[in-house]
Amino acid sequence: DIVMTQSPDSLAVSLGERATINCKSSQSVLYSSNNKNYLAWYQQKPGQPPRLLIYWASTRESGVPDRFSGSGSGTDFTLTISSLQAEDVAVYYCQQYYTTVTFGPGTKVDIK
Amino acid sequence: EVQLVESGGGLVQPGGSLRLSCAASGFIVSDHFMDWVRQAPGKGLEWVGRTRNKPNSYTTEYAASVKGRFTISRDDSKNSLYLQMNSLKTEDTAVYFCARDRGFDFWSGHYMDVWGQGTTVTVSS
Repeated sequence: DIVMTQSPDSLAVSLGERATINCKSSQSVLYSSNNKNYLAWYQQKPGQPPRLLIYWASTRESGVPDRFSGSGSGTDFTLTISSLQAEDVAVYYCQQYYTTVTFGPGTKVDIK
Repeated sequence: EVQLVESGGGLVQPGGSLRLSCAASGFIVSDHFMDWVRQAPGKGLEWVGRTRNKPNSYTTEYAASVKGRFTISRDDSKNSLYLQMNSLKTEDTAVYFCARDRGFDFWSGHYMDVWGQGTTVTVSS
């Protein structure tokens, strides 16, 4: 199975500042035949189910604010919140779907 | 409105069985791949298994941790899917989510775009 790791485990960012979350896969999730990275990002607020934010590593889901962006390729990926809002306090998970499905351990984002 | 509602969770003894239900509204379940994902208390997300759509004969696949013990099934007449859990272990204690899978094959990918609120399963003596 592909193992996903995330860093940091948690971070605190001031309102309006940038938050950056990293995700690394134990093997590449880039499929060369279609040049797509099989990587998604989810947001989970306390007591709620996960919400899909990003798929194909950088495609924003409909309705997701444009302050959320995804980047990276191969084994290294980043989720960036360009200007943190109070409602962004949550745990963020990356997920690979190159082989079955595995999730990263999550990164908790708080307000500083 | 597209919605998934899970039910059937509860307290069960180790070795026991439980059947979870997931009722869909706003879309036709038989058209979609559907997944079960669980979350142990205070922990991250773990994929449990998937059922493919009707054109793909509703075939299933499971995580190694539940293979042989859990079974996913569907009832098209009720627009629902189910998770039959047998030989339950304490480590199966979790909130169980059903989720709609956006994909239909490797090329379209398998990420989840609609999630239920979850149902809690506690395995304890």
